[in-house]
Amino acid sequence: GAVVSQHPSWVICKSGTSVKIECRSLDFQATTMFWYRQFPKQSLMLMATSNEGSKATYEQGVEKDKFLINHASLTLSTLTVTSAHPEDSSFYICSARDLRQPQHFGDGTRLSIL
Amino acid sequence: ELKVEQNPLFLSMQEGKNYTIYCNYSTTSDRLYWYRQDPGKSLESLFVLLSNGAVKQEGRLMASLDTKARLSTLHITAAVHDLSATYFCAVEGVNAGGTSYGKLTFGQGTILTVHP
Repeated sequence: GAVVSQHPSWVICKSGTSVKIECRSLDFQATTMFWYRQFPKQSLMLMATSNEGSKATYEQGVEKDKFLINHASLTLSTLTVTSAHPEDSSFYICSARDLRQPQHFGDGTRLSIL
Repeated sequence: ELKVEQNPLFLSMQEGKNYTIYCNYSTTSDRLYWYRQDPGKSLESLFVLLSNGAVKQEGRLMASLDTKARLSTLHITAAVHDLSATYFCAVEGVNAGGTSYGKLTFGQGTILTVHP
């Protein structure tokens, strides 16, 4: 089955630093990748949709300058949380799909900002 | 704007009992997904429902989709402790021509606890 790898799985860093999260589709070419955020005991909220080679489309209320998304190839998308603060602490999950398949989810990245 | 509502949000079940989780959504779509999430983990795909009347079963779980009523159900038969988890439904938005946007809107999740 389709596999989506997300790295790192857990990161702890100081307030003010930037953190990069990678999302890779391992056995298919992902035309579209999605980034979600999940706060404790809440549902998943879509942050942005990225298509290979074009700018990401951000959902309302998501700061594009704070959450930088790059989808440079059909197998890799990255999310960079710039100048992270404690309120950015969350569980970030990526998903990837091609035209034929539903979304496949990565294992998630737990981000803790001290 | 597509809205997805699940109920109940919390479900405490005895082992061996049956129950149903409901997922209602607000706009036309014929693409609905059910996921399971264990604490600290990502999503595990359970069912993909892509047409009106679709019914799928896996073990003690059965999911169905009624696109006219904009309702999906996840039925649990003879619950066991291993089914304890959070269950999400998610609906894929489509435009008037039936073309998918690709985006998923999730329900709030149902926290299921199965006890002896």
